[in-house]
Amino acid sequence: EAGVTQFPSHSVIEKGQTVTLRCDPISGHDNLYWYRRVMGKEIKFLLHFVKESKQDESGMPNNRFLAERTGGTYSTLKVQPAELEDSGVYFCASSQDGRGLNEQFFGPGTRLTVL
Amino acid sequence: GNSVTQMEGPVTLSEEAFLTINCTYTATGYPSLFWYVQYPGEGLQLLLKATKADDKGSNKGFEATYRKETTSFHLEKGSVQVSDSAVYFCALRLDSNYQLIWGAGTKLIIKP
Repeated sequence: EAGVTQFPSHSVIEKGQTVTLRCDPISGHDNLYWYRRVMGKEIKFLLHFVKESKQDESGMPNNRFLAERTGGTYSTLKVQPAELEDSGVYFCASSQDGRGLNEQFFGPGTRLTVL
Repeated sequence: GNSVTQMEGPVTLSEEAFLTINCTYTATGYPSLFWYVQYPGEGLQLLLKATKADDKGSNKGFEATYRKETTSFHLEKGSVQVSDSAVYFCALRLDSNYQLIWGAGTKLIIKP
């Protein structure tokens, strides 16, 4: 069974440019989460999808970030325009059930560097 | 608010040494507690978990006991190996929610 995949693994862009990160969850997982780790600090929750609907986007830092999950399958996270403080590692995770102890399975992350 | 504090790294040990990585938490309600590990070049993997007070999670020789009285979930291993070198994250999740709340991570370096 394929795990959670993320693309690209690394992205280097200049301040003001746009970047789109992609996450493919494990097949059959309705729940998809985005997290990020900035500059060696703690990992922070960004948002949670249930199928194609945003269940909770309370962790999104500002309106420069836009997440979508078309058809309830893969998800994209767009940063436009990117700022220096957006640099970090963006993790995607998926789970079968949002509650209980259903494990969140993580992808390898996308390392974003904004110059 | 809800938060997780874990010891700063890097922690450097020799092979076969005893490992403790401290983790304490602040939470409303009764959280579930987790340790995740990130090996170099890989994603986050669940290492172990505990759902209620006095539960002990264990996996791959690692153990952690949910201590409600001290609000702690310290990670231990009796004899570490070079292959245990990784970044370890302590996290909690509330029953009323699904998002994970994370500590800052502790980098562990094991020297042969």
